[in-house]
Amino acid sequence: GENVEQHPSTLSVQEGDSAVIKCTYSDSASNYFPWYKQELGKRPQLIIDIRSNVGEKKDQRIAVTLNKTAKHFSLHITETQPEDSAVYFCAAIPGNTGKLIFGQGTTLQVKP
Amino acid sequence: DAGVIQSPRHEVTEMGQEVTLRCKPISGHDYLFWYRQTMMRGLELLIYFNNNVPIDDSGMPEDRFSAKMPNASFSTLKIQPSEPRDSAVYFCASSTVPTYGYTFGSGTRLTVV
Repeated sequence: GENVEQHPSTLSVQEGDSAVIKCTYSDSASNYFPWYKQELGKRPQLIIDIRSNVGEKKDQRIAVTLNKTAKHFSLHITETQPEDSAVYFCAAIPGNTGKLIFGQGTTLQVKP
Repeated sequence: DAGVIQSPRHEVTEMGQEVTLRCKPISGHDYLFWYRQTMMRGLELLIYFNNNVPIDDSGMPEDRFSAKMPNASFSTLKIQPSEPRDSAVYFCASSTVPTYGYTFGSGTRLTVV
């Protein structure tokens, strides 16, 4: 089955710097790759997603890139702010299974 | 729309007791998912339904766990008997299609003592 690996597990940056989180997946049939942000004690919330027919997608300070050949995708956050501090999860859905498989999560700390 | 609604928000129970978690998906969403979150294992998919029918329950850890969806607006996850290792946050999520736009509920924090 699908396996999603995420790294780093923790990331600390200075306010204003960029942050990059990387994920790899194992199932070449995976075609949908969302990213979720989870603040302490709250639910995971979708922040951006990308489909397998697109290489890059941007939404203000957030961007996601996808390399299907290498089977990896990344989240880029520019001009980080303290409110970006949270746990970020990547995920993948293999084929048409509907099963959203999550990476292990990255705890991002943005220092003011 | 009120989003995905879960109840209770917190549950503390004694080992051996039956626990029932409840979920109301977003109206019109025909996929419903149950996840468990722990520090050790992260976010694990337990089971998911399409049009009230269980599609994949391979993530259900043991026979002590069962899930039902009697209609499009209600699902339950039951643990009987509960054990301390079942302590976790249980999330319900719903979606209109299987490959897009999961929305999570606020979760139920279960503590088994």
